[in-house]
Amino acid sequence: DQQVKQNSPSLSVQEGRISILNCDYTNSMFDYFLWYKKYPAEGPTFLISISSIKDKNEDGRFTVFLNKSAKHLSLHIVPSQPGDSAVYFCAASAGGAQKLVFGQGTRLTINP
Amino acid sequence: EAQVTQNPRYLITVTGKKLTVTCSQNMNHEYMSWYRQDPGLGLRQIYYSMNVEVTDKGDVPEGYKVSRKEKRNFPLILESPSPNQTSLYFCASTTNRDAFSYEQYFGPGTRLTVT
Repeated sequence: DQQVKQNSPSLSVQEGRISILNCDYTNSMFDYFLWYKKYPAEGPTFLISISSIKDKNEDGRFTVFLNKSAKHLSLHIVPSQPGDSAVYFCAASAGGAQKLVFGQGTRLTINP
Repeated sequence: EAQVTQNPRYLITVTGKKLTVTCSQNMNHEYMSWYRQDPGLGLRQIYYSMNVEVTDKGDVPEGYKVSRKEKRNFPLILESPSPNQTSLYFCASTTNRDAFSYEQYFGPGTRLTVT
């Protein structure tokens, strides 16, 4: 039972445009959400997070939106750059830093 | 440099031959975890540890063992590896010192092939 789902295995975006990556979850106990970025042959690295008490969090070109009623979060990257090409994982926590539940990942490709 | 290290990075072994993948962190983190990454399934937690001598099962613990005798080390043990344990493994650590930060720091990964 996949509690965190990323339904798009891949996404291709033109350089300079907006990239929107989506994530859905089923567990209403999740109270903290994170996005990780992963390059080939490296471990995932933390990108941005959001608490369930907020609906938006920004960090430079990256913005995460949370819609609790729809159990949906999205990551916006504006403008997209070639270095953003990577696999992006969303993750969720139900009250503890030690236990994260991850989605399947979305491979983002930024085309020049 | 703050980091999580894993060894080996690549390993090819045969069914039934016991192996250990080591994980070490230098950030004095209390929490450590092991994940496996498989195509279409994302990252799934195998085991985690909240501190020395405290470990618990994650979502896919079958066929794995862990121990946490020192704060910095969290080895993953496969007593009798099978081909379905062929995967990419990640170790991660984090702290509980900041109640509002759930960021986990990941190692570079260990690609294991069991034939």
